[in-house]
Parts: sequence; C-alpha cells; structure tokens
Amino acid sequence: DAKTTQPTSMDCAEGRAANLPCNHSTISGNEYVYWYRQIHSQGPQYIIHGLKNNETNEMASLIITEDRKSSTLILPHATLRDTAVYYCIVPLGAGGTSYGKLTFGQGTILTVHP
Amino acid sequence: SQTIHQWPATLVQPVGSPLSLECTVEGTSNPNLYWYRQAAGRGLQLLFYSVGIGQISSEVPQNLSASRPQDRQFILSSKKLLLSDSGFYLCAWSAGPGELFFGEGSRLTVL
Repeated sequence: DAKTTQPTSMDCAEGRAANLPCNHSTISGNEYVYWYRQIHSQGPQYIIHGLKNNETNEMASLIITEDRKSSTLILPHATLRDTAVYYCIVPLGAGGTSYGKLTFGQGTILTVHP
Repeated sequence: SQTIHQWPATLVQPVGSPLSLECTVEGTSNPNLYWYRQAAGRGLQLLFYSVGIGQISSEVPQNLSASRPQDRQFILSSKKLLLSDSGFYLCAWSAGPGELFFGEGSRLTVL
C-alpha cells in the first residue's frame, strides 16, 4: 500500500464538523483512497473511498486534492458515537494479489466531546 | 444483504491448548475472505486470505493456520497456543479491492 500519514489524534466538539486529514504523496494514478474507522472493541467499518473526485455518502464526505497527494474526510455533524480511530488507506492498484489486503496504520484517534 | 458472523466472541485459553475460530458469510458467493489480528495497542495485521475453497495464503509466519472447507466458511486454528497469540481476531470479506466488511471479532486471551 502507498504510505499514508495522519495526525495521531484530534478533538472535535459535538455537532461540529470533524475534518480528518491524510497525506499520501506517493499515490499512483490508479490507486484509490479508502477510509475506515474502528470504534473501541469493534471491527473496522468501511466509510468511503474515492479516486480523484470528491465523494459523499450517508456517513461522510471525502475531499481529494487535485494533485491527489492528500485528502480530507469530513464528518459534517460529529456525534459522540463518532469517537473512534480513523484509518486512511491507499491499497495497491486494483486487482492482482493486493486485492483486499489492506495495511492499517496507526490512524487518527478522533475524540468527540460534548 | 451480506452479513458476516464469527465466533466465539471471547475466549480464554491456556498456553498449549488448541484454537478454532469460525467465520461465515451470508448473502454472497465465492467471496475473498481474510483473517486479521490486532494485538493490544497495535494496528491490524493481515494473517491469511482466501480466494476460494481450499485456497489459503499466509501473510506472516506464525503459530496459526487457516482453512476454507466451504465457500462461505473460513476457520482459524492452532494446535498449541502461545502467549503471543493473544489478540483481537477479525474475519472479513471483500466487496472490492479496498472495501472490506469485518465481523464482530473474537477476543482471545492466552494465559
């Protein structure tokens, strides 16, 4: 997987937007950016992924810079239940032996406080 | 819709005892299946993956083995547990190259 860099921890007030950055300066042209989160004592949960365009789903929005070297996951209205470790992952190109074999780094510990 | 289940959720085993964790997937056929482990305070590590019945690939040398006797069943085993086998074990299936769906996890404590 391409190397990603995330802040170790972040805080956010409940109801405010949480913006989680990720640097992936070595990303290749056909590699996607994936985001997961892991709530304490649970398995990771897939959130969203994108290639070059911004993406939005019911959980979050993903903003990818034009040069694709960084991205930001946005939780528009954070709640206490969004407190978790958030992982930014760039798997090796689609298909091939890397399919589904993800490298989870240390991620960002997001704490949402009242 | 697809669901994934694994069990047992929690177990405490003595050193040297055997281990069997089971994972089943529903709602999809011929899924790619994975076993990950998360040691205390550490990130997830891929242990095994399978692209089909009887096809197992190991990512790291270890005291564990995996088997896939049926299309939607994935089993993690050990003949003799070590203290270092303690951790949170997660089964997953993939819906795409980077899209994994994980089970609830099995927390193993080896004493």
